Amino acid sequence: AQSVSQHNHHVILSEAASLELGCNYSYGGTVNLFWYVQYPGQHLQLLLKYFSGDPLVKGIKGFEAEFIKSKFSFNLRKPSVQWSDTAEYFCAVNARGANNLFFGTGTRLTVIP
Amino acid sequence: DAGVIQSPRHEVTEMGQEVTLRCKPISGHDYLFWYRQTMMRGLELLIYFNNNVPIDDSGMPEDRFSAKMPNASFSTLKIQPSEPRDSAVYFCASSLVLEGKTQYFGPGTRLLVL
Repeated sequence: AQSVSQHNHHVILSEAASLELGCNYSYGGTVNLFWYVQYPGQHLQLLLKYFSGDPLVKGIKGFEAEFIKSKFSFNLRKPSVQWSDTAEYFCAVNARGANNLFFGTGTRLTVIP
Repeated sequence: DAGVIQSPRHEVTEMGQEVTLRCKPISGHDYLFWYRQTMMRGLELLIYFNNNVPIDDSGMPEDRFSAKMPNASFSTLKIQPSEPRDSAVYFCASSLVLEGKTQYFGPGTRLLVL
């Protein structure tokens, strides 16, 4: 069965610090990978996605993620966070041929001004 | 496109009452998903439809919950009777298989059962 692990439950950073949020999945086949962001009181919004090609994917708001197939990982990065990045971040995986996404439990990011 | 539309945005009801949540997916999307989000349990998939047909309802917590999709532009999630433990934010999402099943979420319905 597919599963997605986000090991960091809560990350606290100061503004301008660099961010890396971990995401690992368990599925041996071909996958589509996603990062979603949920700002306080809002719905999930797509940050970026990877289907194929260049494993380094750039998304909105300066975020990027790198797919490392050998490590079953899709970590999210941002070189310099802002207070407005305070939110919860969800990694999700879709196995090719499956209909739905498997979501991780989310990582709450708090950025201190 | 207006995105996924959900109504109502907030619902406060008393235990035992029937609650109906509504969702309009993005036009042309062929999948529709219902999720529930709570602090304790996180984001849970309740049920999803493909071309208006329910595919997997294994996430529906119990018989009090039911979902329908009478046409491609409308779905409902009904709770009857409602209980305080049903209090949560309910999200609807839709996707298109040709877009790699990227899911787009609605704004959610915040349900409080007293």
